[in-house]
Amino acid sequence: GAVVSQHPSRVICKSGTSVKIECRSLDFQATTMFWYRQFPKKSLMLMATSNEGSKATYEQGVEKDKFLINHASLTLSTLTVTSAHPEDSSFYICSAARDNVYNEQFFGPGTRLTVL
Amino acid sequence: AQTVTQSQPEMSVQEAETVTLSCTYDTSESDYYLFWYKQPPSRQMILVIRQEAYKQQNATENRFSVNFQKAAKSFSLKISDSQLGDAAMYFCAYRYYGQNFVFGPGTRLSVLP
Repeated sequence: GAVVSQHPSRVICKSGTSVKIECRSLDFQATTMFWYRQFPKKSLMLMATSNEGSKATYEQGVEKDKFLINHASLTLSTLTVTSAHPEDSSFYICSAARDNVYNEQFFGPGTRLTVL
Repeated sequence: AQTVTQSQPEMSVQEAETVTLSCTYDTSESDYYLFWYKQPPSRQMILVIRQEAYKQQNATENRFSVNFQKAAKSFSLKISDSQLGDAAMYFCAYRYYGQNFVFGPGTRLSVLP
């Protein structure tokens, strides 16, 4: 149980285009989902926290107009990178918590974004 | 703000031997959770072990065990009988109730055959 999927696993896009990444909890309802960014050989950096049906909470320094997060249902959250640029190239990981205490997060397999 | 420190960027261990990864953290809270996550080359984050701060007993999961020293704010991970599949990045993480996870910078573990 507690499986989280991400789609796509890899995406290459041209500079200036937008890219949507989906995060799904497959066998549980996720009250909260998290989006992380990971640079090569670095730790996870939390970008934002999203709760179903409400606006995401962004960490300091993360542009909310550039990284649009939608948590439309208890099993789906999406991250849209708008007007992507090469510096947005990174590994993006989502995770989901199945209760409000969220003493554990279940991680998706990640999405590698390359912006040309 | 809470911080998590892993002072060993890289470690190596011989197959079948034991290795200990260090983690220290800073918090003013008394009840919280600590975690070790493994990230193999596939990049999938996998929970290795979890410790509740109010429990004095160290958590164990098969070949993985922790040495939790609350007063010293230390949370080390011991891997016994190391296997080739244990090679990965290991992240120590802290979480206080209702707050987000704080991850350490990671330790890259190599297992030598």
